[in-house]
Amino acid sequence: EPEVTQTPSHQVTQMGQEVILRCVPISNHLYFYWYRQILGQKVEFLVSFYNNEISEKSEIFDDQFSVERPDGSNFTLKIRSTKLEDSAMYFCASQRSYNSPLHFGNGTRLTVT
Amino acid sequence: TQLLEQSPQFLSIQEGENLTVYCNSSSVFSSLQWYRQEPGEGPVLLVTVVTGGEVKKLKRLTFQFGDARKDSSLHITAAQPGDTGLYLCAGADSGAGSYQLTFGKGTKLSVIP
Repeated sequence: EPEVTQTPSHQVTQMGQEVILRCVPISNHLYFYWYRQILGQKVEFLVSFYNNEISEKSEIFDDQFSVERPDGSNFTLKIRSTKLEDSAMYFCASQRSYNSPLHFGNGTRLTVT
Repeated sequence: TQLLEQSPQFLSIQEGENLTVYCNSSSVFSSLQWYRQEPGEGPVLLVTVVTGGEVKKLKRLTFQFGDARKDSSLHITAAQPGDTGLYLCAGADSGAGSYQLTFGKGTKLSVIP
């Protein structure tokens, strides 16, 4: 069964550095999402992306965050200048059509030191 | 801000017992989804309920959506050790322009052989 793949599985970075988290959504899916889960807390919506643009973003998704779908297969989340509080599991999800189920990747654990 | 409260937060039961997990909100959702999440992995969808009062069964798991579409329950009959895991409910707000999910904090279930 096709699945959403995320790389790397674990990323350690120093505060102030830029990181790019990568996702390959399921190939015929049209809607893409990033969620994050801080250790011990709930999964939180960050951003949704459709038709090559952001359709919705949360308060967490400030100017330090950006998303791109550079080549029609990868979907990336960039954090420009990481902070300690950005440490979390970041999940990518994709969706075939509106209202169809979301398929989540296994996440990237980001540790900011 | 929409909130989903799950209870109990932790549940430890003997194999063969029945259990019910609750998911409550003051907000109305267009649909509600139940996920299971294993350590180090992304949430995996179990079921989506859409209509108020809807009941769906998945083997020994029974899911119900409240009449007002604000709450849901998951009932497991004759729990098995393989049911051990983190169960998450998530409400969908399709009126926001994208298929955002609001997650609860989850119920961590341990089924003791």
